[in-house]
Order: sequence, then C-alpha cells, then structure tokens
Amino acid sequence: AQTVTQSQPEMSVQEAETVTLSCTYDTSESDYYLFWYKQPPSRQMILVIRQEAYKQQNATENRFSVNFQKAAKSFSLKISDSQLGDAAMYFCAYRSGGNAGNMLTFGGGTRLMVKP
Amino acid sequence: NAGVMQNPRHLVRRRGQEARLRCSPMKGHSHVYWYRQLPEEGLKFMVYLQKENIIDESGMPKERFSAEFPKEGPSILRIQQVVRGDSAAYFCASSPFQGKADAFFGQGTRLTVV
Repeated sequence: AQTVTQSQPEMSVQEAETVTLSCTYDTSESDYYLFWYKQPPSRQMILVIRQEAYKQQNATENRFSVNFQKAAKSFSLKISDSQLGDAAMYFCAYRSGGNAGNMLTFGGGTRLMVKP
Repeated sequence: NAGVMQNPRHLVRRRGQEARLRCSPMKGHSHVYWYRQLPEEGLKFMVYLQKENIIDESGMPKERFSAEFPKEGPSILRIQQVVRGDSAAYFCASSPFQGKADAFFGQGTRLTVV
C-alpha cells in the first residue's frame, strides 16, 4: 500500500517571502500522480498543482512549483511571494496511474500561517 | 456547470441515530469517491462507486456504514447507529471516467454526533 508523509505539522512564512512544504511517499509503482491540495477554513479542497511521475520536468502553476525527486520519493511544494490568502492546510496526495480508479492517498497535512 | 454538491453542509445527530449524506457529482461524471477527514487529519478514502455499482469499498468500516449510487439521483453515504467517533467531515469527489482524470471535490458535510 502507498503511504504519504508530511513531516511538518505547521509552517510559518512572512508575507512576500518563499516557503517550502515537504512531502515524502512510498510506493512500488512506476506510474502514478502526485498532488498538492489546499484546504482553507471553508473546508473546500482546492487542487493547487499536479505532477505526473513519468515527467521529469517539475510542475509550475504561477507562484506554486514543486521539486519532484522520484528516486528519493520526495515531492515538495514551493510557494513564492506568499500572500495572506495562502494561509490554509496543505495536503500532499498520491494516486496510482493504473486503471483501479482515481482514489487518492493523503498525507496528514501542513498548516501554513502567513504573517503580515 | 455546477460543481460537486454535497448536502447538508452540517449535520447533527444524537448517538444511535442514522446519518444520510448526499453527493451530486458534476454533470457528466459517473464515478464518485467518498472520503472521511477526522479532526486535524488528512482525508482517508472510504469507497468508490459507479452508477449502481460499488467498485472499491476497502476503506469502509465493516459495520454501520453503507454507500450507494443509484441510476437516478445522488450518491448516498449512510451511517447507522452513529457514535461519537463518527464525528468528522465527509467529502465526496467525482470524476468523468476511471482513467487519468482528476477528481473534483465537494465542500464536505461536517457530521457532529452528540
């Protein structure tokens, strides 16, 4: 079974600064997807960024980028120019690339606080 | 195109009562996934359904929990004889097919058992 670990329960960043959230995972599969989701107080799960394991290039979405280290099974999220609206819980998630369904395995989350 | 709709947003039940949580997937989506989020934890997969079929229920507790996704109408997650430990946020996600398509989440139902 796959596992996803987020070792930072809480992180804090100054507004406009850069912060990196860590995620490691364990799998024996070669075809899979990795995601970062944001969960603000409203509880809505918002997809921030996705990475396909077969792609070597790190995904980027505006101020959000990942550092995908496949051999190390590491998938960190970098948030540049942090904004107050970035404050939320962030969850790393794994999904198998096979045809067994789109079920996600989530990490325990990191609470990000942004200081003005 | 409306997103994934879950209702109610909040549900309070006394111990021993039944809880019914509803999920209407996005238009054109025929695959539904239910997740549970305990306080201060990540989401945990419960069950995966297609119309009229349970595909994977490996995350469902063996007793008191059931799920369905009928040909017509929303998917229902049913919890019988609720206990305090069932208090959690329950999320539904839907996707258009089984392959390489992302699932979209609803806003969740927060169940409180008193």
